[in-house]
Amino acid sequence: GAGVSQSPSNKVTEKGKDVELRCDPISGHTALYWYRQSLGQGLEFLIYFQGNSAPDKSGLPSDRFSAERTGGSVSTLTIQRTQQEDSAVYLCASSSTGTGHSPLHFGNGTRLTVT
Amino acid sequence: GENVEQHPSTLSVQEGDSAVIKCTYSDSASNYFPWYKQELGKGPQLIIDIRSNVGEKKDQRIAVTLNKTAKHFSLHITETQPEDSAVYFCAASKEEYGNKLVFGAGTILRVKS
Repeated sequence: GAGVSQSPSNKVTEKGKDVELRCDPISGHTALYWYRQSLGQGLEFLIYFQGNSAPDKSGLPSDRFSAERTGGSVSTLTIQRTQQEDSAVYLCASSSTGTGHSPLHFGNGTRLTVT
Repeated sequence: GENVEQHPSTLSVQEGDSAVIKCTYSDSASNYFPWYKQELGKGPQLIIDIRSNVGEKKDQRIAVTLNKTAKHFSLHITETQPEDSAVYFCAASKEEYGNKLVFGAGTILRVKS
């Protein structure tokens, strides 16, 4: 079946512009996660949605970052007033539940370059 | 919060040899330890995981061991093949945080043929 889909695959933007990154999780998965991967680094947790619960936003690095998940499915990560240090690969993952350690399935990411 | 350290950062082995990657974690409450493989331009893929009530788990050429007392866990790949070349990440989480994983910094594995 279809995996996690992210768009766009690449995004180049000028410093100060806003960007929106989209994630389509696997159908039926109730949990959705955003991670950030900087060049040569591990994955940094950003935000986590589980069903209708309030999202866990503890990993968002600043108030320029926000995310929504509409209808329990598609999610959008928005970065306002982008800075050069925002350049990274943004990865989305989904899992069938938010508990019991069901495996995370990752998309291929959006590579964001801020010039 | 949890901190996961991973070693080595790069590892080169000859085809057919074994590869071992080690991780340590700081939070004794962590109880789930997955390993992910990431190929160039792709997202990470789960290759094996282990829960804290198990000391070792094997899946064909891949095995993971966990030492809860020492708070470390390791990935073992035997009979390495060129297609094993990738970046490998360990991670840890605890039940109360759902599947929110804390990742190590990654190991670049190169298998030379």
